[in-house]
Amino acid sequence: GDSVTQMEGPVTLSEEAFLTINCTYTATGYPSLFWYVQYPGEGLQLLLKATKADDKGSNKGFEATYRKETTSFHLEKGSVQVSDSAVYFCALSDSGGYQKVTFGTGTKLQVIP
Amino acid sequence: SAVISQKPSRDICQRGTSLTIQCQVDSQVTMMFWYRQQPGQSLTLIATANQGSEATYESGFVIDKFPISRPNLTFSTLTVSNMSPEDSSIYLCSVNPTGQGNTEAFFGQGTRLTVV
Repeated sequence: GDSVTQMEGPVTLSEEAFLTINCTYTATGYPSLFWYVQYPGEGLQLLLKATKADDKGSNKGFEATYRKETTSFHLEKGSVQVSDSAVYFCALSDSGGYQKVTFGTGTKLQVIP
Repeated sequence: SAVISQKPSRDICQRGTSLTIQCQVDSQVTMMFWYRQQPGQSLTLIATANQGSEATYESGFVIDKFPISRPNLTFSTLTVSNMSPEDSSIYLCSVNPTGQGNTEAFFGQGTRLTVV
């Protein structure tokens, strides 16, 4: 079945540092890929997505590129802020009608001033 | 988009009792999804609820433990039955209003359940 593997956390960075959170996936067909974020005390919300190979999703300074050849969707940000402290989940979904979302284990990011 | 209201937001329950969680969506959706997020863990799909048919459960989850109702296209309930401390988790309701897997899923705020 489908699966998502993302790097273990927690990740602690200083403000303005570069962030990479690795994510690889296993899926049949051509899934859509997502990064969701869960800020402290809040619900899960979409950060960015990519629906086909070589697509780049971006939002709030975060980027991730759908790499079919390496089955990866790594999340990057050039300069993190304290407000980026949250748990980040890589996820995939069948692009067809079933809509089931498979999540990675989540990576907790803490940014210190 | 979709706005999802989940109730209760949190509860502390005695072992052996049951809790019913309600999920209300502001638009009609075909499928509603129930997830569990155990402490420090990722989200695990419990079941998919379609209106007018029985819910489809994922491996490791059974209807006797997690009965689900879906009386209409905007509402669903999940019951956690005969609870034990291992059921302490956050339970989330989710929908995808477009009905397509390549679009965003929306989540309720979650129900934080503690079983003592």
